Amino acid sequence: EVQLVESGGGLVQPGGSLRLSCAASEFTFSEYWMNWVRQAPGKGLEWVANINQDGSDKNHVDSVKGRFTISRDNAKNLLYLQMNSLRVEDTAVYYCARGGRWFDSWGQGTLVTVSS
Amino acid sequence: DIQMTQSPSSLSASVGDRVTITCRASQSIRTYLNWYQQKPGQDPKLLMYSASNLQSGVPSRFSGSGSGTDFTLTISSLQPEDFATYYCQQTYSMGGVTFGPGTKVD
Repeated sequence: EVQLVESGGGLVQPGGSLRLSCAASEFTFSEYWMNWVRQAPGKGLEWVANINQDGSDKNHVDSVKGRFTISRDNAKNLLYLQMNSLRVEDTAVYYCARGGRWFDSWGQGTLVTVSS
Repeated sequence: DIQMTQSPSSLSASVGDRVTITCRASQSIRTYLNWYQQKPGQDPKLLMYSASNLQSGVPSRFSGSGSGTDFTLTISSLQPEDFATYYCQQTYSMGGVTFGPGTKVD
């Protein structure tokens, strides 16, 4: 069974940084597009970023461009989201999700809280 | 960016009811439209992909249709485990994937 396990969330002050990780197992990680999706408390889903199989194509939602960077390490089966210049409005549960045209597996999420 | 809208935003239904949720895109997305179900405290679950394809393991009471800008998700006979929030998602634009705002079924 596909497993995606996020880590790295926590409490950070506005302007701070965090790096999220997503450990993938039970599938060939290097064959899939991967994504980060977030959900603010009580709100809907927002796609944050995606990355293709070899990391040569990356896309980010406009609200995080220049602040967040998605990356991957296929040798370690890890997906990352480097988050800089964090804002209060970045507070959310961050999910990693497998897939390009559809997201067929999701992690359980990691909570990021941006507050002073 | 492609904007997605859903209607209704919430609906009240009973077990056995036929439920239809509508999703509309701000421009044609062909059939790059997916549906997800999310229950409180859980991660989302893929129900339908490419507008009308049932994800493996999803009950056949779920169906999807549409192309271009207008899409529907139908639950033919609502079951107790179907009370949840449903989201549509477009992946026509891989550089700007967007979700609809969600429809809560309670």
